[in-house]
Amino acid sequence: DQQVKQNSPSLSVQEGRISILNCDYTNSMFDYFLWYKKYPAEGPTFLISISSIKDKNEDGRFTVFLNKSAKHLSLHIVPSQPGDSAVYFCAASLDSGGGADGLTFGKGTHLIIQP
Amino acid sequence: DAGVIQSPRHEVTEMGQEVTLRCKPISGHDYLFWYRQTMMRGLELLIYFNNNVPIDDSGMPEDRFSAKMPNASFSTLKIQPSEPRDSAVYFCASLQGTGSTEAFFGQGTRLTVV
Repeated sequence: DQQVKQNSPSLSVQEGRISILNCDYTNSMFDYFLWYKKYPAEGPTFLISISSIKDKNEDGRFTVFLNKSAKHLSLHIVPSQPGDSAVYFCAASLDSGGGADGLTFGKGTHLIIQP
Repeated sequence: DAGVIQSPRHEVTEMGQEVTLRCKPISGHDYLFWYRQTMMRGLELLIYFNNNVPIDDSGMPEDRFSAKMPNASFSTLKIQPSEPRDSAVYFCASLQGTGSTEAFFGQGTRLTVV
């Protein structure tokens, strides 16, 4: 059973607009959440993270929101750029310090930025 | 540092053969993880090590899979005998230690078992 779910396999957004990628989780023990970005033929690269004690973390064009009561997080990218086209993985960890006990990943959302 | 290095990048083997995937983590990182990516199941954690000691291997699919970390700079994931359903991309990742926020991934090994 998937503990981390990304229900949209793909998302198409126009360049310059906001991209919103969603993620739901079922395990209330998860304490740390991360977003990874993956280009074809490359490994995932870390994008942004958020601790369960926060509800928002911002880094440049990227903002992650966490709603613990709803067990939901989202990644906002604004403005979207062509280089943002990639697969985005939501990941969760039981470790409050990060991913030292391994990460549980969603299946990913393929973001396509259209010119 | 060159990052996490995996070899080979691609491996094609016949069913029943032994396959060994290799990983060199980032120097100074205490944790090493092996993940497998398939269309059906996405990215799954197979096993991870802390200071070269296996901590959790509950994700290893069956006894045909084994992983070792003989020293801090090298790990192997072995499949013996291999089966077509083992075809996937296998990623190795390393992380500096508790309190670190991100694991760094290698480029992966694409395994095809025919």
